[in-house]
Amino acid sequence: AQSVAQPEDQVNVAEGNPLTVKCTYSVSGNPYLFWYVQYPNRGLQFLLKYITGDNLVKGSYGFEAEFNKSQTSFHLKKPSALVSDSALYFCAVRGLDSNYQLIWGAGTKLIIKP
Amino acid sequence: EAGVAQSPRYKIIEKRQSVAFWCNPISGHATLYWYQQILGQGPKLLIQFQNNGVVDDSQLPKDRFSAERLKGVDSTLKIQPAKLEDSAVYLCASSLVGGQNTGELFFGEGSRLTVL
Repeated sequence: AQSVAQPEDQVNVAEGNPLTVKCTYSVSGNPYLFWYVQYPNRGLQFLLKYITGDNLVKGSYGFEAEFNKSQTSFHLKKPSALVSDSALYFCAVRGLDSNYQLIWGAGTKLIIKP
Repeated sequence: EAGVAQSPRYKIIEKRQSVAFWCNPISGHATLYWYQQILGQGPKLLIQFQNNGVVDDSQLPKDRFSAERLKGVDSTLKIQPAKLEDSAVYLCASSLVGGQNTGELFFGEGSRLTVL
């Protein structure tokens, strides 16, 4: 079965420290992987994607993600957290049905403390 | 460039009443999606349109939910009659053709429904 897991409901990080938001997936073949961010009372915004190529992909707002095929993971990272990074983060993988629907994780709430 | 517009932002109704949500996608985006996002869960696709045709509505509870995109631009999602479990945020998104391939969907701010 195709699935995405975000094992942490919430991640707390001090401002200026590095942050990691975890994501693991289960899908056969080569995965297309995505991260979205949702600020309070706002819609989801696309952050970055991995389709092929370099395992480290860079996205918006200084975020990057590392694709690890052997661990079936696609963790989101940022070297130095900002208070404004506090938001809900969703990982998604493209499914293998005929319409390639996105399969979403449950989300991780990231709290950056000053 | 204007983003995806949704209305109303908030709606409170009693169970068994009806409600409608409206979405206007980004100009030129042929594909339009309606998602349901329940608190603590990821978005769940309800229906996907390509222009004015339905591409996927396999997870739409058709006994109570309906959606249309008559002219291939804006869309309406209706719930009738509403149940308590329909309380959620209804997200509209749009993309260029093939958006599911690139994963780059553009979302509106959502319509939050509370069913009492």
